[in-house]
Amino acid sequence: KNEVEQSPQNLTAQEGEFITINCSYSVGISALHWLQQHPGGGIVSLFMLSSGKKKHGRLIATINIQEKHSSLHITASHPRDSAVYICAVRPDSGGGADGLTFGKGTHLIIQP
Amino acid sequence: DVKVTQSSRYLVKRTGEKVFLECVQDMDHENMFWYRQDPGLGLRLIYFSYDVKMKEKGDIPEGYSVSREKKERFSLILESASTNQTSMYLCASSRTELNTGELFFGEGSRLTVL
Repeated sequence: KNEVEQSPQNLTAQEGEFITINCSYSVGISALHWLQQHPGGGIVSLFMLSSGKKKHGRLIATINIQEKHSSLHITASHPRDSAVYICAVRPDSGGGADGLTFGKGTHLIIQP
Repeated sequence: DVKVTQSSRYLVKRTGEKVFLECVQDMDHENMFWYRQDPGLGLRLIYFSYDVKMKEKGDIPEGYSVSREKKERFSLILESASTNQTSMYLCASSRTELNTGELFFGEGSRLTVL
C-alpha cells in the first residue's frame, strides 16, 4: 500500500526565512502534486511534476524519483504564505480510486 | 480565469435531512471528483466521474450518491445526513489525462450535521 508522509506536520517561521517541506512516498509514481490550502478551505494546485525541478515565483519544487522524495521550498517567506501544503502522488498502480494518494498536509505559519 | 464553483460555503443540516452539494466547472473538463477532508485524515475520495452520466465509487462512498447530468455539473447527495458526515467537502476537476492532468479545486463546502 502506498504511503505518503509529509514532514514537518507543523512549521512556524519568521518572515523572510527559507522554508522546506518534505514529502516521501513508498511506491513508484507517475506524477506528484503540491497543493496549497488557505484558511477557509479552497485548494490551489502549485506544481505537478514527475522529474527534476520546477519554479514559480518564490516557490520551488524538486523531486528525486530514485529516493522517492520531493521537497517544496519557499524563498523569502511572507505571512501570506501561511497555509496548509499538501503532497499528493499518482502511483504507477494502486493508490486511491482516482489514482491519487494524499499526504496529511503541513501546516505552515509565517510570523511577521 | 478557470473556475470550480461550489454552491454553498457553509451549511448546517439536521440528522436525517437530504443534502445536495453542487459543483460547477467552466473548463470543459471530463473528470470531476468529490472529496471530504477531516482533521488528521487528509483528503479522501468519495465519488468521481469521468463523463456525463458516468460515476465511479471512491474510497468512502457509503452514505453518499452523485449525479452528473451535464458535463459541467457534478452533484453530491447525502440521502439522510448523519452527524459523522460533518466535514469539509471539496469538489475538483481535471482533464481526461488522469496521469498528467492538473487538479482544479473549488473553495469547499463546510457541512455541519446536528
